[in-house]
Amino acid sequence: GDSVTQMEGPVTLSEEAFLTINCTYTATGYPSLFWYVQYPGEGLQLLLKATKADDKGSNKGFEATYRKETTSFHLEKGSVQVSDSAVYFCALYLSYNTDKLIFGTGTRLQVFP
Amino acid sequence: EAQVTQNPRYLITVTGKKLTVTCSQNMNHEYMSWYRQDPGLGLRQIYYSMNVEVTDKGDVPEGYKVSRKEKRNFPLILESPSPNQTSLYFCASSLLPGTRNTEAFFGQGTRLTVV
Repeated sequence: GDSVTQMEGPVTLSEEAFLTINCTYTATGYPSLFWYVQYPGEGLQLLLKATKADDKGSNKGFEATYRKETTSFHLEKGSVQVSDSAVYFCALYLSYNTDKLIFGTGTRLQVFP
Repeated sequence: EAQVTQNPRYLITVTGKKLTVTCSQNMNHEYMSWYRQDPGLGLRQIYYSMNVEVTDKGDVPEGYKVSRKEKRNFPLILESPSPNQTSLYFCASSLLPGTRNTEAFFGQGTRLTVV
């Protein structure tokens, strides 16, 4: 079935380090892909998205490129800040098959000064 | 301000005592859903609603009920809560699925503990 696999956390980095959080998906169609972020004590909010192959989503210094050939949507940031500490969820949406977002298990990022 | 509001934020209850978690959105969205978040499992959909009086089961509907009598409200009902329903619950709303740019807006969550 359709699914999303994320790297397990926590990911622990020093401020200004480079971040990669891996995300791969399995889908029978052509999904839209999303990264959501959950700050402590809050709900999820959309960070970025890409709706077709080779699209790059970007926001707040984060980027992710929709790679159809590797079925991946890895999240990257060149220089993380303490304020980026949160849980990051990769998700996919298939418009033809299901009326829901399918989420990965989430990756906790901890950034230390 | 566009928002999804859940209440309460925190709830401790006893096994078998009926409870309702409310959810309201102010964006005139047709689609609303409930998720539970558990460690190592991510978010799993409980129920969803495509519009008023239209609801359907998600992946983990057992032990839950919902209703959609008004477009803005989508309460989650636990008729007889059990300890395995201890979890963090999120309500979400969005425009109707079918658009590739569908973005879901989430409430702040309700942390439920059933003892």
